[in-house]
Amino acid sequence: QKEVEQDPGPLSVPEGAIVSLNCTYSNSAFQYFMWYRQYSRKGPELLMYTYSSGNKEDGRFTAQVDKSSKYISLFIRDSQPSDSATYLCAMSGNTNAGKSTFGDGTTLTVKP
Amino acid sequence: EAQVTQNPRYLITVTGKKLTVTCSQNMNHEYMSWYRQDPGLGLRQIYYSMNVEVTDKGDVPEGYKVSRKEKRNFPLILESPSPNQTSLYFCASSLNSGGGAYEQYFGPGTRLTVT
Repeated sequence: QKEVEQDPGPLSVPEGAIVSLNCTYSNSAFQYFMWYRQYSRKGPELLMYTYSSGNKEDGRFTAQVDKSSKYISLFIRDSQPSDSATYLCAMSGNTNAGKSTFGDGTTLTVKP
Repeated sequence: EAQVTQNPRYLITVTGKKLTVTCSQNMNHEYMSWYRQDPGLGLRQIYYSMNVEVTDKGDVPEGYKVSRKEKRNFPLILESPSPNQTSLYFCASSLNSGGGAYEQYFGPGTRLTVT
């Protein structure tokens, strides 16, 4: 079983919709939780990271971490066609620092 | 411009012919890492380096070598490539070496095909 499982998608929504992207994990040592966005034929780019539990907001994006449930989410409000990309969750811990574990990614399409 | 560069961007080679993919960053980052991305398998970490002369294995290190002699460079070496190493490779760097380098900047990728 993988340490990080990501909702596989693909996901297709109309412009303006609220999007929810989710990952679960099994390693309780994970402390850092990241979301990356990857456009086609490009490298991933960091959207947000959260340390431990809680919420973090940046513009239309909100990241949530629930360590008790080992569940993280990324919400996108007022989704735009430019949000169409693959979203990757990633996790790491303070022990065995240096190792990063990624989800398989969810491909999102926002239709005008 | 702050960036991670990789060369070559595309490479087609034959089984057993040694190759090196270079990675360079101009942000004075301590941490660098290599990943491979395959359909259905996601992004998997090959090797990482917390600083010069400090490297460690990721999840899929078999068949790969790395070295970190300078802070800015982190080449990936395939001594004897095999077809199962056909993949899209990404190099990444981060200022923060703690916590698995939680703010990683990725290069544009190298698409490798081994026939």
